[in-house]
Amino acid sequence: DGGITQSPKYLFRKEGQNVTLSCEQNLNHDAMYWYRQDPGQGLRLIYYSQIVNDFQKGDIAEGYSVSREKKESFPLTVTSAQKNPTAFYLCASSIRQLNGYTFGSGTRLTVV
Amino acid sequence: GQQVMQIPQYQHVQEGEDFTTYCNSSTTLSNIQWYKQRPGGHPVFLIQLVKSGEVKKQKRLTFQFGEAKKNSSLHITATQTTDVGTYFCAGPIDNFNKFYFGSGTKLNVKP
Repeated sequence: DGGITQSPKYLFRKEGQNVTLSCEQNLNHDAMYWYRQDPGQGLRLIYYSQIVNDFQKGDIAEGYSVSREKKESFPLTVTSAQKNPTAFYLCASSIRQLNGYTFGSGTRLTVV
Repeated sequence: GQQVMQIPQYQHVQEGEDFTTYCNSSTTLSNIQWYKQRPGGHPVFLIQLVKSGEVKKQKRLTFQFGEAKKNSSLHITATQTTDVGTYFCAGPIDNFNKFYFGSGTKLNVKP
């Protein structure tokens, strides 16, 4: 079955460490996105990519970095510069402009 | 920048009662999407509305897009415990497939 796979499901990070969250899709979607969700709140856009080797900052890109070397993959790195990284991170993809998103099951990141 | 506001933030209903959540934008939207997120889960796409005044139904769910394309609503008739979750609307920020999500309405259904 096609879908989006995010790993790991739970991730614990020590302060000062960089961590990378994986997002892989086999839907042949061109566009991919990273959102952050804090408890009881909506989704905020971190980065998005419309095509391989190209990506754009969203509303809260500071302290994060991404790459899009393959159509299927859009990993997110949470750097030590992100002051409050504890959150639920959601990756999504869409086939074309203005179509519905398919979300992965998310990664819950906790700073310890 | 353009924002999509959603009300109410929370709604508690008795099973069998109806439920409505509203989404409002300060600017005209080319389309609007609705998602459902179950507790502990991820958002799942429900529907997209494109036309002014459009009404779409999915079983007990009715979605409306306002005539001015600045507001939308989701109405659930005779709620069931399976309807529990947070409902989000999302509107496009620009011509790219990039959506701004509302803050969501969390629905709790008491059996």
